[in-house]
Amino acid sequence: SAVISQKPSRDICQRGTSLTIQCQVDSQVTMMFWYRQQPGQSLTLIATANQGSEATYESGFVIDKFPISRPNLTFSTLTVSNMSPEDSSIYLCSVKVSYNEQFFGPGTRLTVL
Amino acid sequence: GENVEQHPSTLSVQEGDSAVIKCTYSDSASNYFPWYKQELGKRPQLIIDIRSNVGEKKDQRIAVTLNKTAKHFSLHITETQPEDSAVYFCAAISNTGNQFYFGTGTSLTVIP
Repeated sequence: SAVISQKPSRDICQRGTSLTIQCQVDSQVTMMFWYRQQPGQSLTLIATANQGSEATYESGFVIDKFPISRPNLTFSTLTVSNMSPEDSSIYLCSVKVSYNEQFFGPGTRLTVL
Repeated sequence: GENVEQHPSTLSVQEGDSAVIKCTYSDSASNYFPWYKQELGKRPQLIIDIRSNVGEKKDQRIAVTLNKTAKHFSLHITETQPEDSAVYFCAAISNTGNQFYFGTGTSLTVIP
């Protein structure tokens, strides 16, 4: 497995502002992902964070709204830009290790007022 | 892309009884099927997984079965305990080996 941390664990933000969420892994991993989980819902993949190249976004998610950085194999950031109340959610990073096993960070609970 | 359906959405069982959660998938090229348990306010935790070359896998009180022909897989929890209460998610991995497609989740309540 992998030890994954996220910062911040939670935040309350004003609409129109931006928040950057950090994800740190204790070992080098090739694949890192960012998910959104709205209250009582399943996990929705936002994008795959690629080291050394632009992130790969899923349908419905765009780089201008969710810019992602992946400067090395242990760290990634997700920014939620120009926030609105609809962005209130839990944001989780995850990493893929070994065969196909995927492990999640503790999540960042975001509330936008 | 892949479409994963999960049933039931909620499930209540008496302590000691068994619980079964079922998922179907659409992409016959999917070859890895994990199950995650998410307790309230916590991250999803991988509890068991199965690969497409295996029909059944067991780990103590939990087991997963896979029927590739019918494209469905199931999670079985025996001798349920109150600490099994959580939301369970199934997933299927795409043939590229990168993207997980998650089911909609099953909220399991074990009644003491």
